[in-house]
Amino acid sequence: DAKTTQPPSMDCAEGRAANLPCNHSTISGNEYVYWYRQIHSQGPQYIIHGLKNNETNEMASLIITEDRKSSTLILPHATLRDTAVYYCIVRSMDTGRRALTFGSGTRLQVQP
Amino acid sequence: GAVVSQHPSWVICKSGTSVKIECRSLDFQATTMFWYRQFPKQSLMLMATSNEGSKATYEQGVEKDKFLINHASLTLSTLTVTSAHPEDSSFYICSAGGSLGGPYTDTQYFGPGTRLTVL
Repeated sequence: DAKTTQPPSMDCAEGRAANLPCNHSTISGNEYVYWYRQIHSQGPQYIIHGLKNNETNEMASLIITEDRKSSTLILPHATLRDTAVYYCIVRSMDTGRRALTFGSGTRLQVQP
Repeated sequence: GAVVSQHPSWVICKSGTSVKIECRSLDFQATTMFWYRQFPKQSLMLMATSNEGSKATYEQGVEKDKFLINHASLTLSTLTVTSAHPEDSSFYICSAGGSLGGPYTDTQYFGPGTRLTVL
C-alpha cells in the first residue's frame, strides 16, 4: 500500500469548512484513497473513499487531484463533534481481506 | 453503513485471569475480521486476522497462545486474553469486512472498542 503523509494537527472554527490534506505521491493505479476518523475512545469510523473521481456523501467530500498524488477531505460545516483524528489510507480494492494500516493521522480540533 | 458491535465496552480484571471480548457484525456477513490494539496516544496496531472457519493469522510479536481468536461464524469473532497482566491493559478494537456479495465488500467497519484494564 502506498505511503501517505498528513499534517499532525489542524484547527477549524465551528461552522466553517474543514479541509484535511493527504499526500500519496506513490499511489498506484488500482489503489483507492480511504478516509476514516477516530473520535476519542471510540473505534474508527469510515467516512468516504474514492479512486480518481471526486466523491461526496452525507458526511464529507473527497477531492482527488488529477494526478492522484494528493487528496483533500472536506467537512463542509464542521461541528464540535467532528473533533477527532482523521486517517488517510491508500490501498487496493480487496480491503475486506487485508487489514488497514493506520499512520499517525491528523488531529482536527474544531473550536467553538 | 454496516454496524459492528463489541462486548463488553470495558472490563476490569485481576492479573492472571482470562477475558473474552466478542465482535459481531450486525447487518452483514464478515468472512474476515481483524483485531487491533491501541495504547494511549498511539495509533491502531494490527494483532491478528481472523477468517471464518480457519485459524487466525497473528502479526509478528503477538503471542497466539495468549491472545486466542475464534471466528466461529460469519457474524462473530472472539478474542480471549489469557492470563492477563497489567501490560495487556489497552483498547482492543475489531473490524469486519469482506462480505459475501453484499454491499460492503469494499470497506472495513470497526467496532466501538473494548477497554481492558488489568489490575
